[in-house]
Amino acid sequence: DQQVKQNSPSLSVQEGRISILNCDYTNSMFDYFLWYKKYPAEGPTFLISISSIKDKNEDGRFTVFLNKSAKHLSLHIVPSQPGDSAVYFCAAREYGNKLVFGAGTILRVKS
Amino acid sequence: DSGVTQTPKHLITATGQRVTLRCSPRSGDLSVYWYQQSLDQGLQFLIQYYNGEERAKGNILERFSAQQFPDLHSELNLSSLELGDSALYFCASSGTSGYTGELFFGEGSRLTVL
Repeated sequence: DQQVKQNSPSLSVQEGRISILNCDYTNSMFDYFLWYKKYPAEGPTFLISISSIKDKNEDGRFTVFLNKSAKHLSLHIVPSQPGDSAVYFCAAREYGNKLVFGAGTILRVKS
Repeated sequence: DSGVTQTPKHLITATGQRVTLRCSPRSGDLSVYWYQQSLDQGLQFLIQYYNGEERAKGNILERFSAQQFPDLHSELNLSSLELGDSALYFCASSGTSGYTGELFFGEGSRLTVL
């Protein structure tokens, strides 16, 4: 039973355009949602998070939107850069700081 | 550099064998988490320790065990290995101030079972 789903295995975007990565969840008890970025041969690194009581959080080129009624969140990257090419994992926090991860979306930004 | 150190980085072994993966958390972090990433899968939570005590358990097989030592480093023991245990094993740590759920991950240990 996948509580966090990323339905798009990959996404290709032109440099300078917007990248939108999507994530759906089923557990309404999650209290924080996070995005992690992962380069090959490296561990995941934290990108941005949002509390379940908010609907938007912005950090530079990265914005995360949360729609609780739809149990959906998205990560917007504007403008996309070639260095953003990586695997992006959506994660949701359960009790005790345990994170439940989605399967990841491979983002390719073409120059 | 996340500050989390995992050894070994790569490990190749045979079915039926036993291996130990080691993790040193960031300085001062009391919580250690273990995750497994199989091919094309997301990160699956295995187990969490907090200051030496088991805090949460995920889908960890009975053949797997873990512990956190007084110096806060942790070890994940995998025994009676099967082909399907081949995966990347990540360790992560967090501090008591990690209220937003942010975890700091090591680079992972890639286990190949032949």
